[in-house]
Amino acid sequence: DTGVSQNPRHKITKRGQNVTFRCDPISEHNRLYWYRQTLGQGPEFLTYFQNEAQLEKSRLLSDRFSAERPKGSFSTLEIQRTEQGDSAMYLCASSLSGSYGYTFGSGTRLTVV
Amino acid sequence: QQQVKQSPQSLIVQKGGISIINCAYENTAFDYFPWYQQFPGKGPALLIAIRPDVSEKKEGRFTISFNKSAKQFSLHIMDSQPGDSATYFCAASIGGTYKYIFGTGTRLKVLA
Repeated sequence: DTGVSQNPRHKITKRGQNVTFRCDPISEHNRLYWYRQTLGQGPEFLTYFQNEAQLEKSRLLSDRFSAERPKGSFSTLEIQRTEQGDSAMYLCASSLSGSYGYTFGSGTRLTVV
Repeated sequence: QQQVKQSPQSLIVQKGGISIINCAYENTAFDYFPWYQQFPGKGPALLIAIRPDVSEKKEGRFTISFNKSAKQFSLHIMDSQPGDSATYFCAASIGGTYKYIFGTGTRLKVLA
């Protein structure tokens, strides 16, 4: 068990470009969460999956954001037409269904220039 | 009503001292209150958590005190060590949702 793995660790992109992040959860965890954390703030919930089903999306997740979890394993978060306001740390976490305790990954830091 | 208010924003404690971080909430539907520790460049790691039917929970040097009537809870770090220097977040979850509302964080520095 290597924990929750996120790639890439850092991404610098130009405004207007599309970016995609990947999260590999702990293998036996069927729930997967995405959060966004800006500097000096706590993480904010974006969306979560149970197996391959996306069960909830935050209002923070605009139409430019899309998340998938094909086959209930890894997940991807794509941001289209990036804006400077998208610059943040994107955190992925996983848990067992029915468990409140998450395991977070180390995050992907996105910088939009 | 969905907010969790955390204080102080930063805290400096001498080695061996007690670090105390406070959080307050409004939504009585919250039913799980974890504390997370985050080091620079890392994701948050679960430290300790409590449910509202318990007034105190202790794990090693870390204690959560919970006051349901005041809608407040706090983290106490006893015998604080330089290795405890990190940012601490309180959070709350509404039953069945498993998603967290996080506080704004407290940056703790423990002086050697």
